[in-house]
Amino acid sequence: QQQVKQSPQSLIVQKGGISIINCAYENTAFDYFPWYQQFPGKGPALLIAIRPDVSEKKEGRFTISFNKSAKQFSLHIMDSQPGDSATYFCAAIPTGTASKLTFGTGTRLQVTL
Amino acid sequence: EAQVTQNPRYLITVTGKKLTVTCSQNMNHEYMSWYRQDPGLGLRQIYYSMNVEVTDKGDVPEGYKVSRKEKRNFPLILESPSPNQTSLYFCASSLSAVGNQPQHFGDGTRLSIL
Repeated sequence: QQQVKQSPQSLIVQKGGISIINCAYENTAFDYFPWYQQFPGKGPALLIAIRPDVSEKKEGRFTISFNKSAKQFSLHIMDSQPGDSATYFCAAIPTGTASKLTFGTGTRLQVTL
Repeated sequence: EAQVTQNPRYLITVTGKKLTVTCSQNMNHEYMSWYRQDPGLGLRQIYYSMNVEVTDKGDVPEGYKVSRKEKRNFPLILESPSPNQTSLYFCASSLSAVGNQPQHFGDGTRLSIL
């Protein structure tokens, strides 16, 4: 049972465009939502994270938007660059059990010239 | 350089032949974990360890064993590998499992079980 649903599975965006990846969760006990970026041949690396008491968090070109009532959160990549081409995973961690990181299924992003 | 090191990076083996994937971290992290990554399924947790001699099952522990005898090492053992364990495996570590510490991942081990 997938507790964190991620879409789309793949995404092609032109350079300079906005990339948007969406995630939805079912478990209301989740209280921390990190996003990971994975390049081919490498392990995932933490990109940005948000807590549910905040509706938006921005770091450079990367923004997380969070809608607690809808149990949805999304990653926006502004001014997308070819170097952003990677697989992105959303994740969720339940309250008090930071060991239980639950990942979404991943989105393969390709930014074209 | 702070890192999580996995070995081997690639392995092709046959059903039933015991294998061990090693994982070592040099950051003095308490928490370590193993994941498998499969297309369309994302990363799923196999086992995790909160500290030395403390391990627990993740979401997909069947067919795997782990041990944590030293803080820096967390090997993944497949006693009798089967083809459904063909996957990309990642080891991760974090300072602790408390306070949402970021997990640092190794570069992965691609296992093919024939």
